[in-house]
Amino acid sequence: DAKTTQPNSMESNEEEPVHLPCNHSTISGTDYIHWYRQLPSQGPEYVIHGLTSNVNNRMASLAIAEDRKSSTLILHRATLRDAAVYYCILAPSGTYKYIFGTGTRLKVLA
Amino acid sequence: GAVVSQHPSWVICKSGTSVKIECRSLDFQATTMFWYRQFPKQSLMLMATSNEGSKATYEQGVEKDKFLINHASLTLSTLTVTSAHPEDSSFYICSAQGVVVGEQYFGPGTRLTVT
Repeated sequence: DAKTTQPNSMESNEEEPVHLPCNHSTISGTDYIHWYRQLPSQGPEYVIHGLTSNVNNRMASLAIAEDRKSSTLILHRATLRDAAVYYCILAPSGTYKYIFGTGTRLKVLA
Repeated sequence: GAVVSQHPSWVICKSGTSVKIECRSLDFQATTMFWYRQFPKQSLMLMATSNEGSKATYEQGVEKDKFLINHASLTLSTLTVTSAHPEDSSFYICSAQGVVVGEQYFGPGTRLTVT
């Protein structure tokens, strides 16, 4: 399974954009890039996923590098409720067997 | 979005007893569900893949006789921790393949404490 590397923690001020990076240099052509987040004592929550093109939804945007060896999750305006651990996961198309890395703990400052 | 529930949300049991945790997909059918375990301050670790009507597939290092998984219907999977010990105390989370391609829905988790 391809691995992902994320910073252990990041901080952001409320109302400001946040860019959460993920490196996945061993990604294969069929791997989708998934992002989930986990609030304390809760199960992970789907954020966004993509394959090659940048993706937008109501929660966030996903920017994927042209060589697909890295991606960035963008929260356009961080709120206190966005404080969570964000996980970047690779999984081939049709596979839902997720291997979680260590994730990035995002702290949002009021 | 699709909803996955778990019951109970927390449980305390004595060492040597067995505990059953239920995972239900409330508004969709899930042929495949997954069970994870998470220790404090750590990431989720995949334990097994649960397939409706067939035997579960366990990850390396997970004892299949200790963690019994049954996927009896398209909306229910159960995890039974047999002969629980304090080291089995953890946060157990299930998930199910979503109806939308690429999405997986997670339950709220069950906190197990073995005394």
